[in-house]
Amino acid sequence: GAVVSQHPSWVICKSGTSVKIECRSLDFQATTMFWYRQFPKQSLMLMATSNEGSKATYEQGVEKDKFLINHASLTLSTLTVTSAHPEDSSFYICSGRTDGTYGYTFGSGTRLTVV
Amino acid sequence: KQEVTQIPAALSVPEGENLVLNCSFTDSAIYNLQWFRQDPGKGLTSLLLIQSSQREQTSGRLNASLDKSSGRSTLYIAASQPGDSATYLCAASSSGNTPLVFGKGTRLSVIA
Repeated sequence: GAVVSQHPSWVICKSGTSVKIECRSLDFQATTMFWYRQFPKQSLMLMATSNEGSKATYEQGVEKDKFLINHASLTLSTLTVTSAHPEDSSFYICSGRTDGTYGYTFGSGTRLTVV
Repeated sequence: KQEVTQIPAALSVPEGENLVLNCSFTDSAIYNLQWFRQDPGKGLTSLLLIQSSQREQTSGRLNASLDKSSGRSTLYIAASQPGDSATYLCAASSSGNTPLVFGKGTRLSVIA
């Protein structure tokens, strides 16, 4: 079945630094990639939607200059958290899908801790 | 805009009991509905996917139903086991190009 490989699975960084999270679709072409975050004991909230070759669309309240999303190819999408702060500590997870299919394939998630 | 609600927020049952988790959604023009399992500190495991044209899906001890007219889905777990303890998430999309919208989940504890 379809697989999305997400790396790293966890990362600890210092406040003010940037962190890049990668999601690769291994056996399908992800025409669309969705990025979610999940704070402790809360559900997954959509951050942004990216289509291959286009600029990402961000949800209200998500800073596009802080959370940089690149979807330059059908198999790779990245999320860069710039100038991270402790309040950015969260679980980030990507979800890829292919046009014309019903399923959404999720990565395994990245737990970011900013100290 | 699609909104998803899950009841109850938490549930504790003895091992062997059959149980039902409930999910409701606001937009009946649903494209698909998906149930996931999430273990503490982990990612998502897809359990069942119901397309808009389907009424139910089954996998092992799990059965999920979809009633678009009432805006509801249920996840039935038969003969629950301690290994079923996890948070169960319901998610729905309104079209083929829109993301899944998640409920807040039901935290299930199965007591041995």
